Amino acid sequence: SQTIHQWPATLVQPVGSPLSLECTVEGTSNPNLYWYRQAAGRGLQLLFYSVGIGQISSEVPQNLSASRPQDRQFILSSKKLLLSDSGFYLCAWSVVLGTHTDTQYFGPGTRLTVL
Amino acid sequence: AQSVSQHNHHVILSEAASLELGCNYSYGGTVNLFWYVQYPGQHLQLLLKYFSGDPLVKGIKGFEAEFIKSKFSFNLRKPSVQWSDTAEYFCAVRPSGGGSYIPTFGRGTSLIVHP
Repeated sequence: SQTIHQWPATLVQPVGSPLSLECTVEGTSNPNLYWYRQAAGRGLQLLFYSVGIGQISSEVPQNLSASRPQDRQFILSSKKLLLSDSGFYLCAWSVVLGTHTDTQYFGPGTRLTVL
Repeated sequence: AQSVSQHNHHVILSEAASLELGCNYSYGGTVNLFWYVQYPGQHLQLLLKYFSGDPLVKGIKGFEAEFIKSKFSFNLRKPSVQWSDTAEYFCAVRPSGGGSYIPTFGRGTSLIVHP
């Protein structure tokens, strides 16, 4: 069965410091991968998605970036964190079945606090 | 682009009460529809989904949702809630076919069930 891991689970970082959040998926090949930010009362905001290694699409321009160095690894980064980057970051995966994309499945999330 | 509206941001019920959470979307074409649930301290998980066929969809834990195309709605229901249903519920919609794979999420509804 497929599983998705995110680490760290929680992170406290000072303003201006770099960020690296990692997401890995097991038990599937060539998944679509996604990074979301969840803010209370505001639902899920799609940040990045990837359909393959090295292929990243950005939905929201900001000081975050994403990379996909391996098929089942998705990394969210920042060179300099802002206070507004605080939030709950979720990674998700889905697979393509023919011309149809299946359901998204979510990881446990990373709670980021920028001080 | 599609959008999703969840009318109830906060719902408070007593155990055994019936539940209906509203979800409306705006999109002119055919859609896939999802309800996700996030229990306190747990990750987002799929409750049920509609891709095609019977518009009344049964999910886990006694939940069901009905797709009413004419009303652009996909309301979530449960005849008798339990304290353990306390969670945040998210509706999501995605255009079906054509390689579309990015769902749009509603802002979520926080459900509190009192024992």
